[in-house]
Amino acid sequence: KAGVTQTPRYLIKTRGQQVTLSCSPISGHRSVSWYQQTPGQGLQFLFEYFSETQRNKGNFPGRFSGRQFSNSRSEMNVSTLELGDSALYLCASSWGGGGTYEQYFGPGTRLTVT
Amino acid sequence: KQEVTQIPAALSVPEGENLVLNCSFTDSAIYNLQWFRQDPGKGLTSLLLIQSSQREQTSGRLNASLDKSSGRSTLYIAASQPGDSATYLCAALGGSYIPTFGRGTSLIVHP
Repeated sequence: KAGVTQTPRYLIKTRGQQVTLSCSPISGHRSVSWYQQTPGQGLQFLFEYFSETQRNKGNFPGRFSGRQFSNSRSEMNVSTLELGDSALYLCASSWGGGGTYEQYFGPGTRLTVT
Repeated sequence: KQEVTQIPAALSVPEGENLVLNCSFTDSAIYNLQWFRQDPGKGLTSLLLIQSSQREQTSGRLNASLDKSSGRSTLYIAASQPGDSATYLCAALGGSYIPTFGRGTSLIVHP
């Protein structure tokens, strides 16, 4: 069974631009969660989507948004990029939602904002 | 607000040693606790998931225990190997269904 895939793996953007990251979950998994990992703040929860609906949201500004498609693939968008948005963005999929099922992570997208 | 602390932050041991990594959480009302390992620059690999009704889980040389009343979980690694070198993270899932991660324990096992 193929694992969680994320594209692109690396990205360099300029302040003020916007970016879209993609995540394809393990086949059969209906929940996709997004996380931001930085050296300063560690791993922080962004949001979770389950059956195309956002079920939960972490403490991030509205510039961070996401969506999920009917095939469970998910995208995350960050608008008006700031230097502090430089991070490793990870997505994780699970069979069920709410974090109560085991989560499987993708390799991440390394975003650098200059 | 849930806070998760992992001690020690870093650990360097010779191959063959048995290890204990600690994870403590401030709010004992959790649904589960999950242990992960992360290799440099990569995503997380799930190791063990302990539901709130369970006391421990085992997989190969790994054993994780959960004591909700004391707000603690431990990950025991038996007979450590150089391939175990990685950062180990724990995550507690609380009532908000938002997982809170610790900062991790960076483990180096040298031959």
